[in-house]
Amino acid sequence: DADVTQTPRNRITKTGKRIMLECSQTKGHDRMYWYRQDPGLGLRLIYYSFDVKDINKGEISDGYSVSRQAQAKFSLSLESAIPNQTALYFCATSDPSGVGGANVLTFGAGSRLTVL
Amino acid sequence: GNSVTQMEGPVTLSEEAFLTINCTYTATGYPSLFWYVQYPGEGLQLLLKATKADDKGSNKGFEATYRKETTSFHLEKGSVQVSDSAVYFCALTMNTGNQFYFGTGTSLTVIP
Repeated sequence: DADVTQTPRNRITKTGKRIMLECSQTKGHDRMYWYRQDPGLGLRLIYYSFDVKDINKGEISDGYSVSRQAQAKFSLSLESAIPNQTALYFCATSDPSGVGGANVLTFGAGSRLTVL
Repeated sequence: GNSVTQMEGPVTLSEEAFLTINCTYTATGYPSLFWYVQYPGEGLQLLLKATKADDKGSNKGFEATYRKETTSFHLEKGSVQVSDSAVYFCALTMNTGNQFYFGTGTSLTVIP
């Protein structure tokens, strides 16, 4: 099994619908992140969480919400999807005490969301 | 603020050609630097890293040296293969590790 699992991998929905993207990890890491990838823009941080009771907004949090249900689970919600939220979404985890002293991100395979 | 600027793509090379992808950074302090690679249909994975000035990260024939004087972390490979076709991202994080900052990515296609 993958260290970081995202579901669904692909989703097509309509404007105004509520969507939830789920992420689970087996790394045992406290830190989890949601990123959005758009062509030519790289990765942009939506939300991050350093433990179950800690939620922080990232660069582009408007229109999104998150829930950290457990150390291993971090879900991203779009309450009312709009077409410009069409993108590839990545969940990631990290351990700041990682090997070599570097805080390395481990990514899921991504969730491709299309909003019509 | 902190940011990463990397070479625009796409880059197309013939097999066995030399690869350089430029990356420069701006940081208010001493960051750790990374190259991540994204193969088609997959998530990003760590390619190599360097945590202090003059460190050289290396993996799978790729190398990058942390140059504090030029604030650069250029990715190089002496002889690329078709299997190296992917999107490459330069990134940094500060020692607090609160956030990561990514470049926009450089798409590489290697043709036989």
